[in-house]
Amino acid sequence: EVQLVESGGGLVQPGRSLKLSCAASGFTFSNYGMAWVCQAPTKGLEWVASISTGGGNTYYRDSVKGRFTISRDNAKNTLYLQMDSLRSEDTATYYCARRKGGGAGFDYWGQGVMVTVSS
Amino acid sequence: DIQMTQSPSLLSASVGDRVTLSCKASQSIYSSLAWYQQKLGEAPKLLIYSANSLQTGIPSRFSGSGYGTDFTLTISSLQPEDVATYFCHQYYSWPLTFGSGTKLEIK
Repeated sequence: EVQLVESGGGLVQPGRSLKLSCAASGFTFSNYGMAWVCQAPTKGLEWVASISTGGGNTYYRDSVKGRFTISRDNAKNTLYLQMDSLRSEDTATYYCARRKGGGAGFDYWGQGVMVTVSS
Repeated sequence: DIQMTQSPSLLSASVGDRVTLSCKASQSIYSSLAWYQQKLGEAPKLLIYSANSLQTGIPSRFSGSGYGTDFTLTISSLQPEDVATYFCHQYYSWPLTFGSGTKLEIK
């Protein structure tokens, strides 16, 4: 059974950092592109960042470029999101998602982890 | 960026009704479109990919159609468990974008 389990969320002050993790199991992690998608309270879905199977290619939405870093450790079956210089507008639930084969959307999602940026 | 516009934002229908949700892209995305269902308090679930391909395990009452800029998600016979918000998503180009969602309620 495919499982994605996020951790590392919490309350953080503006300007500080946080690192999210996503532990994957039930599939060959190194064969799939992965991504982070966020959802602000009562709002819609917003793509944050994606990473290729080997980690050599990364993509970011403009509002997080230079502040967030997506990475992966295929030996540990784990996806990461390093979030620096956090802003109040980064407050959201962050989902880890597996890119479907052929890149056709996201076929598995974690349960999400809440990040609250507030003083 | 490719903008995804969903309509209506809120839809109320009766059990057994045929329901149609719309999604329009600001430029052609060919068939690079997915639909997700998100129930309250849960993560999104992939329903449809490549505009019209049903994801494994999804009931056949769900179907997708469209190409280019105009897309539709149809539920052939609405069930109580279909109450959720539905999002479309384009994966044709970066940045990946989602529609703002259609909230589906039972009348």
